[in-house]
Amino acid sequence: EIVMTQSPATLSVSPGERATLSCRASQSVTRNVAWYQHKPGQAPRLLIYNGSTRATGIPARFSGSGSGTEFTLTISSLQSEDFAVYYCQQYLRWLSFGGGTQVEIK
Amino acid sequence: QLQLQESGSGLVKPSQTLSLTCNVSGGSISSGGYSWIWIRQPPGKGLEWIGYLYDSGRTYYNPSLKSPVTISIDRSNNQFSLNVTSVTAADTAVYYCARQGAVAGTFLYWGQGILVTVSS
Repeated sequence: EIVMTQSPATLSVSPGERATLSCRASQSVTRNVAWYQHKPGQAPRLLIYNGSTRATGIPARFSGSGSGTEFTLTISSLQSEDFAVYYCQQYLRWLSFGGGTQVEIK
Repeated sequence: QLQLQESGSGLVKPSQTLSLTCNVSGGSISSGGYSWIWIRQPPGKGLEWIGYLYDSGRTYYNPSLKSPVTISIDRSNNQFSLNVTSVTAADTAVYYCARQGAVAGTFLYWGQGILVTVSS
């Protein structure tokens, strides 16, 4: 099983600042990584797939990068609606999700 | 716009069977060759995939799951279902159904989720 490890567990950021979230795979997943945003009481929302491709309708302030075992989700200027939990997910071999990073208001 | 909606019992006794249905509207479950998945989130924990199927009926299950699971498709009612047998408290979770996006293995359309509690 490929294990996805996210860091940090919690990220405190002020509105307007940049947020950088990390995700590490236990073995290479090439670029087969997606990122989701999840707010309480709502369905998860697909943000990024193939490591860096934004899903339809996702604002340009969200960007993904990385390949192999190291991946990053960057939110360039946090808006109030961006405070949520973010999950990375690999889909090279079966599926697996990271434990999540909670982005909270500083 | 494709919409998914989970339904089923919100309270299940230990050792019994958890049964959920995902109703699909705004599109056919039988077209496009997409995968349809069940994912759950135990309280205070992250997301865990349970299993998925294609409209052909072929299914794939998470080998890490402890409880026996069955996912099936009902093309006539445009829905798919999840059965988890012999449940324990560890199966308490919010259960989501979802459909694949542009790339297999990613999930673009999700239901709102349904909380299932396993308790006597």
